[in-house]
Amino acid sequence: GAGVSQSPSNKVTEKGKDVELRCDPISGHTALYWYRQRLGQGLEFLIYFQGNSAPDKSGLPSDRFSAERTGESVSTLTIQRTQQEDSAVYLCASSLQARTSGTPSYEQYFGPGTRLTVT
Amino acid sequence: GQNIDQPTEMTATEGAIVQINCTYQTSGFNGLFWYQQHAGEAPTFLSYNVLDGLEEKGRFSSFLSRSKGYSYLLLKELQMKDSASYLCAVRGSNDYKLSFGAGTTVTVRA
Repeated sequence: GAGVSQSPSNKVTEKGKDVELRCDPISGHTALYWYRQRLGQGLEFLIYFQGNSAPDKSGLPSDRFSAERTGESVSTLTIQRTQQEDSAVYLCASSLQARTSGTPSYEQYFGPGTRLTVT
Repeated sequence: GQNIDQPTEMTATEGAIVQINCTYQTSGFNGLFWYQQHAGEAPTFLSYNVLDGLEEKGRFSSFLSRSKGYSYLLLKELQMKDSASYLCAVRGSNDYKLSFGAGTTVTVRA
């Protein structure tokens, strides 16, 4: 079936503008994650959604960042008043469920990412 | 918090074997993942270890020692297409977030 999709694939914006990034998870996946990957660095957790539970926003770097998800479908990540340090690849991932112990792994499947450049 | 360390770069010859080490210090442990990421692409899942020992999957194997906070990914019979970044990620206990290392860039040379 279709994997995780993200749009746009690339976004160039001017400092101070707002941007909205979209993620379509794999159908049936209840858990959805957003990560940020700066050049040459590992993935940095931003936010997590699981079904109708309250999202875990603990990774959001500032109040300029927000995200929404409707049910178990599309999610949008919004960055307001963008700054140059926001330039990165924003990756979305989904999994069957989030919380588990032992096996199975419920691995996360990643989308291709949105490369954001703030000029 | 989580602290995950892996080497920055490794180079090997086509057909050879390369071992990528990962050490971690985490508040609780509920599994270790290895992902492969080609330049400009999304990370793809390679392996998962939650119990001590070796998990073998074709040319790739992953090992875990929970008491030592240590894992390695072993790539055998290296091919040019294996040139990529390899990410070690740990899931904490009662947690769902993955904490990632910075990744190891493996370059395979002819």
